Amino acid sequence: AQRVTQPEKLLSVFKGAPVELKCNYSYSGSPELFWYVQYSRQRLQLLLRHISRESIKGFTADLNKGETSFHLKKPFAQEEDSAMYYCALTSGTYKYIFGTGTRLKVLA
Amino acid sequence: GAGVSQSPSNKVTEKGKDVELRCDPISGHTALYWYRQSLGQGLEFLIYFQGNSAPDKSGLPSDRFSAERTGGSVSTLTIQRTQQEDSAVYLCASSSVTNEQFFGPGTRLTVL
Repeated sequence: AQRVTQPEKLLSVFKGAPVELKCNYSYSGSPELFWYVQYSRQRLQLLLRHISRESIKGFTADLNKGETSFHLKKPFAQEEDSAMYYCALTSGTYKYIFGTGTRLKVLA
Repeated sequence: GAGVSQSPSNKVTEKGKDVELRCDPISGHTALYWYRQSLGQGLEFLIYFQGNSAPDKSGLPSDRFSAERTGGSVSTLTIQRTQQEDSAVYLCASSSVTNEQFFGPGTRLTVL
């Protein structure tokens, strides 16, 4: 079955500490992977996608096909990174599957 | 142009009443999605439209839920005989060939 798993509902880190939000997926083909973010009182928006291989707001994510993972990382967390993060995949046929989300809290 | 818009932003209704939620996607986006966002449940897929047809209705939780899309644009999600467990934020998103989903601000539904 197609599935996206985010094992942590809540992740708290101190400002300046590294952060890693975990995402594992189950899919038989070649999916496209995304991270979406929702800041407080803002709408859900795209953070990054694996095909662009960009670093957005200091975040990076590498697709590991062997481990079927797409973990989101940032070397030094900032307070403004506090938000809800969703990992998602699509097969390119408009079918989207989202994980249950991880709430990141960056403590001062 | 404007992003995805949804109305109303908030809806409070009594148990047993019907509600209609509206989504206005980005002009030219052929794909439209409805999701439900509940505390602790993440994003729950409800239905997907390609143009006016809905090839995937697998996420609709019961036959009280229905959705339509007309003119390849505006979509309405209807919940009949609302129950308290229907209380949630209902999100709409649209996308084009790039596969990026653009989300609306959501409608917060509270069933008393």
